[in-house]
Amino acid sequence: AQTVTQSQPEMSVQEAETVTLSCTYDTSESDYYLFWYKQPPSRQMILVIRQEAYKQQNATENRFSVNFQKAAKSFSLKISDSQLGDAAMYFCAYPCRSGGGADGLTFGKGTHLIIQP
Amino acid sequence: NAGVMQNPRHLVRRRGQEARLRCSPVKGHSHVYWYRQLPEEGLKFMVYLQKENIIDESGMPKERFSAEFPKEGPSILRIQQVVRGDSAAYFCASSPRQISDEQFFGPGTRLTVL
Repeated sequence: AQTVTQSQPEMSVQEAETVTLSCTYDTSESDYYLFWYKQPPSRQMILVIRQEAYKQQNATENRFSVNFQKAAKSFSLKISDSQLGDAAMYFCAYPCRSGGGADGLTFGKGTHLIIQP
Repeated sequence: NAGVMQNPRHLVRRRGQEARLRCSPVKGHSHVYWYRQLPEEGLKFMVYLQKENIIDESGMPKERFSAEFPKEGPSILRIQQVVRGDSAAYFCASSPRQISDEQFFGPGTRLTVL
């Protein structure tokens, strides 16, 4: 079974600074996708960024970027120029597979990101 | 375009009652997923459906829980004879295709069992 591990229950960063959230995963697949979702206090799940494993280039979306290390099965999220609106729970996710080829997502336990003004 | 709609947003049931949670996917999306989020935890996959078919229900408890996605109308997650441990936020997501695609999440239904 695939597992997704987020080892930082909580992180705190000063506004305008940079923070990195870590995520490791376990899979025997060679071609797959990885996702970071954000869950603000409204509880709405919002996709932050997506990485395709066969692409060597790290994905970037404005202030959000990933450091994808396929061999190490590591998928960290870097947030530059942190803003107050970035405060949320951040979840790393990986599409789980069963014998039937299910594609539900397996989520990590999340990292609570606090932005200090 | 409307996103994923879920209703009700909040549902209170007493132990032993039935809970019905509804999910209308993004228009044109034929893949629906249900997740459960317990307090202070990440989302846990429950079931994956396409129109009129359950593709994978490996994450769903064997008893009391069922899901459907009929040809017409919303997807329904049904919990019979609810217990306090069923109290959680239930999220529905949809996507236009399998895997690789972003799953668009609804706002969730918060179920409280008294």
